[in-house]
Amino acid sequence: AQSVAQPEDQVNVAEGNPLTVKCTYSVSGNPYLFWYVQYPNRGLQFLLKYITGDNLVKGSYGFEAEFNKSQTSFHLKKPSALVSDSALYFCAVRDFPYGNNRLAFGKGNQVVVIP
Amino acid sequence: GAVVSQHPSWVICKSGTSVKIECRSLDFQATTMFWYRQFPKQSLMLMATSNEGSKATYEQGVEKDKFLINHASLTLSTLTVTSAHPEDSSFYICSAASGSYNEQFFGPGTRLTVL
Repeated sequence: AQSVAQPEDQVNVAEGNPLTVKCTYSVSGNPYLFWYVQYPNRGLQFLLKYITGDNLVKGSYGFEAEFNKSQTSFHLKKPSALVSDSALYFCAVRDFPYGNNRLAFGKGNQVVVIP
Repeated sequence: GAVVSQHPSWVICKSGTSVKIECRSLDFQATTMFWYRQFPKQSLMLMATSNEGSKATYEQGVEKDKFLINHASLTLSTLTVTSAHPEDSSFYICSAASGSYNEQFFGPGTRLTVL
């Protein structure tokens, strides 16, 4: 079964500094990887995905993530954090062709950007 | 594109009553819809996967008779919480996907409070 680990509970970063949110995964087949962001009392907003191709994926709001097969990681990054980036971030993986299109989510990371 | 709506956005009900939550894909046909439950500051827990025109597949530990899922069309799935109790209070989120290779698009969520 597929699984995702987001090792940190909370990530604190000063506004303007680089932001990194860590994610590692485990699958039997090929990983389809996703990052979502959630604001309070809202559903999940899609940020970016890796299916195949370039290991560096660029997404919404200036976020990017790098797929590293050898380290089974898909860390989310942003060069310069904004206060409005404060939210809950989820990494998710789909195990292709196994898993029936089901996503496994990490526990989530609360990002706090300090003005 | 790829907008998913949920109705209602919040609902308060008395213990013992049933509550229906609708999930609609507004601009695409969703062959598969997913229902998740999220407790405060926790990750999403997949409850069930439903394919249009067939019975839902429930995750282990989720009561089929408690959480009735209907996916009668390619744009609508409903979750009915039957005989709701306070422990059913939670944030319920649906997502929709079209085809086997596409990402899930999430609804805004429904906050259920059972008194």
